[in-house]
Amino acid sequence: SQKIEQNSEALNIQEGKTATLTCNYTNYSPAYLQWYRQDPGRGPVFLLLIRENEKEKRKERLKVTFDTTLKQSLFHITASQPADSATYLCAFSGGYQKVTFGTGTKLQVIP
Amino acid sequence: GAVVSQHPSRVICKSGTSVKIECRSLDFQATTMFWYRQFPKQSLMLMATSNEGSKATYEQGVEKDKFLINHASLTLSTLTVTSAHPEDSSFYICSARVNGMETQYFGPGTRLLVL
Repeated sequence: SQKIEQNSEALNIQEGKTATLTCNYTNYSPAYLQWYRQDPGRGPVFLLLIRENEKEKRKERLKVTFDTTLKQSLFHITASQPADSATYLCAFSGGYQKVTFGTGTKLQVIP
Repeated sequence: GAVVSQHPSRVICKSGTSVKIECRSLDFQATTMFWYRQFPKQSLMLMATSNEGSKATYEQGVEKDKFLINHASLTLSTLTVTSAHPEDSSFYICSARVNGMETQYFGPGTRLLVL
């Protein structure tokens, strides 16, 4: 069955450093991979979408890579700030089909 | 742009009663809306996909008679939890997709507590 995995352990990082979160998937070839941010008690907020034919996408301090050979996406936050602390969810989908979410990785940026 | 609202944000009800949750796309038309449930420290679990003007498609294991979904317009979908029980207590989140786009925009969620 399709499976999407994110590191369930929290990631603690010093302010100013680059945070890197990993998302791996199996038994699927998604056309799109998306990253969302979720704060406690709130709905997810869309951050970035990357297509299978794109290797990298950037938005301000955020960067996403998509390696279809490794079946992996990496999500980077450069110059991290305490305000970046949240849970980050990756999700994949295949062309207007339902989106499957990972369990999320909690990021804590320490001042 | 792409704002989705949910109402209510929190609801407490007695066991056996029904609760209706509204999901609205405020500044765009959404032909497809999704309903998710999220338990503490777990990911979002898709319950059903709602298309305007047609019956919702439920995921395996989700009782369609218990979780009634209505998508009467391009900006409004409702989820009614019928005869709610304590095990239905959860965080319910809706999302809406702009027609032709892949990205979903989420509502702020509704915290349901059934006593």
